[in-house]
Formats: sequence, C-alpha cells, structure tokens
Amino acid sequence: RKEVEQDPGPFNVPEGATVAFNCTYSNSASQSFFWYRQDCRKEPKLLMSVYSSGNEDGRFTAQLNRASQYISLLIRDSKLSDSATYLCVVTLYNQGGKLIFGQGTELSVKP
Amino acid sequence: GAVVSQHPSRVICKSGTSVKIECRSLDFQATTMFWYRQFPKQSLMLMATSNEGSKATYEQGVEKDKFLINHASLTLSTLTVTSAHPEDSSFYICSAHATGDSSYEQYFGPGTRLTVT
Repeated sequence: RKEVEQDPGPFNVPEGATVAFNCTYSNSASQSFFWYRQDCRKEPKLLMSVYSSGNEDGRFTAQLNRASQYISLLIRDSKLSDSATYLCVVTLYNQGGKLIFGQGTELSVKP
Repeated sequence: GAVVSQHPSRVICKSGTSVKIECRSLDFQATTMFWYRQFPKQSLMLMATSNEGSKATYEQGVEKDKFLINHASLTLSTLTVTSAHPEDSSFYICSAHATGDSSYEQYFGPGTRLTVT
C-alpha cells in the first residue's frame, strides 16, 4: 500500500466550478501535511500547509482528519490558471523533515 | 524569499558517461538538502538526504555508488549520476531546508532534466 494515495484524475472542470481532491495516508505517525502544486515540467511549489482545525487561503480550503488519516483540498471558483497537478505531501515524526509525496491529482480547468 | 538553483537545467549525455548536477541555496544556508527523481506521470520519489559535512542517507533501492552525493558546504550539494544508462533519464529535483528553520518547509530547485542516449 502506498504511503500517500491520491486519485490521479484527471479532473476536467469548467471555469468557476468547485473541485475537491482527496488524499489518504497510511502511517499514523505522519506529523505534518501539505498540498503542493506542480505545473508541467516544473518543480513543485507549496500551496498550503494543512492544520487539524482546517484552514483556508482565498479560494482554497484544506481539511485534515487524523482519525481517518484523510486530507482534502477544496478549490472554489476555479480559474484556468489553477490547471496543474496537486500533490498531497506528508512528513513523518522524527524523520528529519523527509517529505512523502502522493502521486498527484491532475486538474484541467476549461473555459 | 528563499531561492534554490539547479545547474544544468537540461542535459543530454551518452550512455556510460557521468553527469553532475548542482543544487545551490542562493540566499540561505541549508544543512540538509534532498534529492528527488520524477519519472513522467509519476510523483517525486526521494532518492537521498544530503547532510552538510557528512555522508548522505539513501532511500531503499537507491544505489549509493551510482548516485554520488556531496554536500561540502552549507549552500551546495551535488548529485553525480555515474555510468548513466537510458533508464536513468528522468527529472531530478533538489530541495533545501533552511538551517535553524523549525518548520518542515523545503525550497525546491527548478529541476534538471536528464536524457541519456
């Protein structure tokens, strides 16, 4: 079983749609959680950290459910520029900050 | 903001040759740097953790004699792919963790696309 699992997509949505990505992690010792965005042939960029209480940054909302070992990302009012691959990332306790990446969910926002 | 550079951005080499990739933190010191590899349509896979002044820690299945890592200063880590083969063709990305930063944030370089012919 992969340590971090995501629906690979692709998700094809029209502009203005709301889209949700799900992610599950297998190791209960996972400590920190992030969503990264990766554009084609580029490096990943941190989109947002994910906190237990849930957090929002503009059109983006992240949720964490430690009991279910589940992380989500909601994008509201999607824009063409949101088209990218979204990576769910966790770190493990006492592993020196090593990031473990999910396989990514591809999003394509169409006009 | 924190900037990480990689050089070269793209390299094509012949099978059997060695290729060195540099990763530099430009405006901060990084005791720890990470090397990842990403094949098409796949996610980033951590290859090794590079620690300044000590030996790198390799992930399971990554040959340390094939992927030589040197982290001789607080701003530079190098990855040398020795005796490269076509199956080593991939996108290699480094990241750096700022010394003294209590968060787990890593700053990524722009990546190096290696093609072995």
